[in-house]
Amino acid sequence: AQSVTQLGSHVSVSEGALVLLRCNYSSSVPPYLFWYVQYPNQGLQLLLKYTSAATLVKGINGFEAEFKKSETSFHLTKPSAHMSDAAEYFCAVSAKGGSQGNLIFGKGTKLSVKP
Amino acid sequence: KAGVTQTPRYLIKTRGQQVTLSCSPISGHRSVSWYQQTPGQGLQFLFEYFSETQRNKGNFPGRFSGRQFSNSRSEMNVSTLELGDSALYLCASSFESASTGNTIYFGEGSWLTVV
Repeated sequence: AQSVTQLGSHVSVSEGALVLLRCNYSSSVPPYLFWYVQYPNQGLQLLLKYTSAATLVKGINGFEAEFKKSETSFHLTKPSAHMSDAAEYFCAVSAKGGSQGNLIFGKGTKLSVKP
Repeated sequence: KAGVTQTPRYLIKTRGQQVTLSCSPISGHRSVSWYQQTPGQGLQFLFEYFSETQRNKGNFPGRFSGRQFSNSRSEMNVSTLELGDSALYLCASSFESASTGNTIYFGEGSWLTVV
């Protein structure tokens, strides 16, 4: 069984500050891990994904995430927040080798960026 | 390349009615999944289709059903609508690769309001 826990339903940062959104996963098999962003009234956009090729994954819009097996974590970071980063972010897991259309999502973290 | 297209984008139905939502995946994608998003429950997996066969099903009552056509387009149907079915319904498609894993792309969703 797989699950995802996102720590913090709301995170607020100042423009230019570091963004850190936390995600811990549980998986009985090697996982695929994803971060998606959702802007108001829109669908989900893929930021990045981990498929075991490299533990540090770079995504779009300056985001990156590091897979740490020992900590079962896949935290999302961005060195400098921009106002346009304000959105809701979802971490998700699927089973490698299994059906990958079935994503298990975390509850989401709403990111606010203050000017 | 066109993205995942969902229709209709917005609809209002009355309790007890039924509704059909449509999803056209990205060209070449054979896997289509459906998710329900609500403020209370977050993003929940409904079902996944691959080559016209339901491959996975989430924990939803039988009122929720779906199908996939030979051109990979998919529909989902909800019968005997309840107020709690009000949600954003998201469709996602992917081109499966056993070696690199899926990149799963989402549509903008169909907003269903049940009154």
